[in-house]
Amino acid sequence: EIVLTQSPGTLSLSPGERATLSCRASQSVSSSYLAWYQQKPGQAPRLVIYAASSRATGIPDRFSGSGSGTDFTLTISRLEPEDFAMYYCQQYGSSPVTFGGGTTVEIK
Amino acid sequence: QVQLQESGPGLVKASETLSLTCTISGAYISGYYWSWIRQSPGKGLEWIGYIYYSGSTNSNPSLKSRVTMSFDRSKNQISLNLKSLTAADTAVYYCARESGGYFDGSGLYMSGWFDPWGQGTLVTVSS
Repeated sequence: EIVLTQSPGTLSLSPGERATLSCRASQSVSSSYLAWYQQKPGQAPRLVIYAASSRATGIPDRFSGSGSGTDFTLTISRLEPEDFAMYYCQQYGSSPVTFGGGTTVEIK
Repeated sequence: QVQLQESGPGLVKASETLSLTCTISGAYISGYYWSWIRQSPGKGLEWIGYIYYSGSTNSNPSLKSRVTMSFDRSKNQISLNLKSLTAADTAVYYCARESGGYFDGSGLYMSGWFDPWGQGTLVTVSS
């Protein structure tokens, strides 16, 4: 199965700053079949990005996804207070689907 | 607006079978693939398996021998049974609707992304 490694483990930033999260796959993810989720404490994950770069319904345009092959990135252009959370990547190009270990975006 | 709600026992004993139900509102079971996913501190997020209204199922090879999934169309519910529980099965269990799934070259359905998710239910396995 494909192992997804997310980095950094924790990102400490201030509101208004730019966040860059990385997701690296142990083998190429076919057709850029990669999604990103946001999770806040006590809540279920919420879809942010699918197909590597398509924003989910209701997701603001400060969120963007990019990448292909084994390297993918989630960028939040200007952090808002509600963006501080845990973020997970998920690949669905190979069975079984797998998730990364997550990156925490915390307030500095 | 699609909403999912998991229900089941919060505490189960080791070696027993866990039974969970996911009640779906705002959408019919028919026409979608539905998955179970769990989240534990030790293993993070782990896909358990999917069910389709035709009865087609598939599950993670790591859990395949212990997983059974079913649905009740009249109640718009899907269910998960996980047998031979151990402490490693302690987790928050989620149900979710799949989107973006596709068929690979051999005709096997491949799960896509998950949206929306239920709120999750914590299951603790005690010895």
